[in-house]
Amino acid sequence: TQLLEQSPQFLSIQEGENLTVYCNSSSVFSSLQWYRQEPGEGPVLLVTVVTGGEVKKLKRLTFQFGDARKDSSLHITAAQPGDTGLYLCAGSNSGGYQKVTFGIGTKLQVIP
Amino acid sequence: EPEVTQTPSHQVTQMGQEVILRCVPISNHLYFYWYRQILGQKVEFLVSFYNNEISEKSEIFDDQFSVERPDGSNFTLKIRSTKLEDSAMYFCASSEQASGLGGYTFGSGTRLTVV
Repeated sequence: TQLLEQSPQFLSIQEGENLTVYCNSSSVFSSLQWYRQEPGEGPVLLVTVVTGGEVKKLKRLTFQFGDARKDSSLHITAAQPGDTGLYLCAGSNSGGYQKVTFGIGTKLQVIP
Repeated sequence: EPEVTQTPSHQVTQMGQEVILRCVPISNHLYFYWYRQILGQKVEFLVSFYNNEISEKSEIFDDQFSVERPDGSNFTLKIRSTKLEDSAMYFCASSEQASGLGGYTFGSGTRLTVV
């Protein structure tokens, strides 16, 4: 069974601060996705990373896929209250029809 | 922007009753999925569906569960005889590519409460 561990599980920071959240596994994934989920809603895809060492930027969000494709990080610069939410990482593998394995998520609160 | 539509948004049912959760995936997507999320827990894979058949299913997806694509647009999840532990948010998702490289588009979910 492939597991994704996310840390920290809860994070409360002040507006304007920087933060990094992590997603780790002992398994290799062919792709890894980051989603954001609001209460009572479905996960919304932020980014997919595929290549080991890949870095993708989405405005103030920077996503990195580890060289060995076992881990990933999400860095937010100058966090804003609108960044508040649950950030989920999810991994999938090639072959078959690629069920996605989710982590438990990091619940981020940005205080104005 | 294309979206996955799920109905109903909330469903309350008595234990032992059958429920059908409905989904309209994105029209040009070929791969369809059901996931569930018990309150406070991880999003869990239930089943994937391609070319009118189940392509993969988890251990959660037992004989009480079935999926169907009754026409060209709808994708349904049926729970034959609901149990209390089936209470969860059920999410439908679709993707354009099998490998998920383009990511999955999730619906807003159906909150199922079994009483």
